[in-house]
Amino acid sequence: DIQVTQSPSSLSASVGDRVTITCRASQNINSYLNWYQQKPGHAPKLLIYTASILQSWVPSRFSGSGSGTDFTLTINGLQPEDFATYYCHQCLSLPYSFGQGTKLDIK
Amino acid sequence: QVQLQESGPGLVEPSETLSLTCTVSGGSISGYYWTWIRQTPEKGLEWIAYIDYLFHIGTTKYNPSLRSRVTISVDTSKSQFSLKLSSVTAADTAVYYCVRHLDSPNSGGFGNWGQGTLVTVSS
Repeated sequence: DIQVTQSPSSLSASVGDRVTITCRASQNINSYLNWYQQKPGHAPKLLIYTASILQSWVPSRFSGSGSGTDFTLTINGLQPEDFATYYCHQCLSLPYSFGQGTKLDIK
Repeated sequence: QVQLQESGPGLVEPSETLSLTCTVSGGSISGYYWTWIRQTPEKGLEWIAYIDYLFHIGTTKYNPSLRSRVTISVDTSKSQFSLKLSSVTAADTAVYYCVRHLDSPNSGGFGNWGQGTLVTVSS
């Protein structure tokens, strides 16, 4: 099974900051990596797929990069609505697996 | 815009079978992959199973850790898909989500989610 490890597990930042969340896969997953945003009491929402493609609802301050085993989610200019938990997810092979999440909160 | 809504008992007794249904509105079951995912504070997000209604209609895939206890199925006439998890224990207590894939199993991720339903296993 492919393991995905996110870091950090939590992150405090201020509005306007640039933040980076990383996800590392235990083996090469090409670009089969997706990112989700989850707010308390709500289901996760697909944010970025295939490592770097933004869903239509996602503002351009979000970006995703990487391939192989190392991936990054970057938010440039944090907005109040961005404070949430973020998950990565590999879809190369079954069983699909998720990172443990990165909780982004306000400093 | 497609909407997914989970339904089923919120409380299941140990050793019994957990049964959940996802009703799909605003879109067709056909032409997509459909998945069940669960979430707990301890284990995070866990993929349970999917069913293919895009390429190989009715083909199912299961998480090996749950395969012996899980069944996923579709009722196209009702625009629903279902999950059955047998011999449940407290470890199966979780929020269960029904999900539509954005594209094929290896691309696009999980594009549409139900709101989730909390299932507690307890006597």
